Amino acid sequence: KQEVTQIPAALSVPEGENLVLNCSFTDSAIYNLQWFRQDPGKGLTSLLLIQSSQREQTSGRLNASLDKSSGRSTLYIAASQPGDSATYLCAIESNTGNQFYFGTGTSLTVIP
Amino acid sequence: SQTIHQWPATLVQPVGSPLSLECTVEGTSNPNLYWYRQAAGRGLQLLFYSVGIGQISSEVPQNLSASRPQDRQFILSSKKLLLSDSGFYLCAWSVAFGTGDEKLFFGSGTQLSVL
Repeated sequence: KQEVTQIPAALSVPEGENLVLNCSFTDSAIYNLQWFRQDPGKGLTSLLLIQSSQREQTSGRLNASLDKSSGRSTLYIAASQPGDSATYLCAIESNTGNQFYFGTGTSLTVIP
Repeated sequence: SQTIHQWPATLVQPVGSPLSLECTVEGTSNPNLYWYRQAAGRGLQLLFYSVGIGQISSEVPQNLSASRPQDRQFILSSKKLLLSDSGFYLCAWSVAFGTGDEKLFFGSGTQLSVL
């Protein structure tokens, strides 16, 4: 079974700093990887999806990379803002489909 | 555009009472539908998923059941709630596997407290 780990569990940075969130997974036979944002008490919002054949995806200040061979993905946030404060989760969709495995998330606080 | 509706947002129920949470999706056909539970400080646990009407797959043995009476409707139920059923329940949908863009879209969640 796919195991997804996110380190650190919590991160606090001053506004304007660039930061990297990490996601690791145990089985490289993935279909795609997604990064989500979750605000307290809310549902998850999809940020970026990287298909297994891709290396990275970018959206605005966000850049996600994927290295299947090492079982790692990173989410890079440039010039962080207080509005970026949220929990960020990564999820793996298996090659068989219909199964999404989630990490426990990284809680990010951007200090003004 | 596609939207997903989930209700209620908050629910407080006594132990032993029944449960019914409903989720509907608009703007798409034949979606894959999912129920997740998120316990405080923990990751998302997949409870059920469905690839079509009447087709339900259960991921973990539990006190809950799911049904899909219509293409875009997914219902989570229990006949008798337990304290351990408390948590944040999330409904989600994606396009069918194999289309190449299986983003997962979530509803706003239901915070269930069993007392």
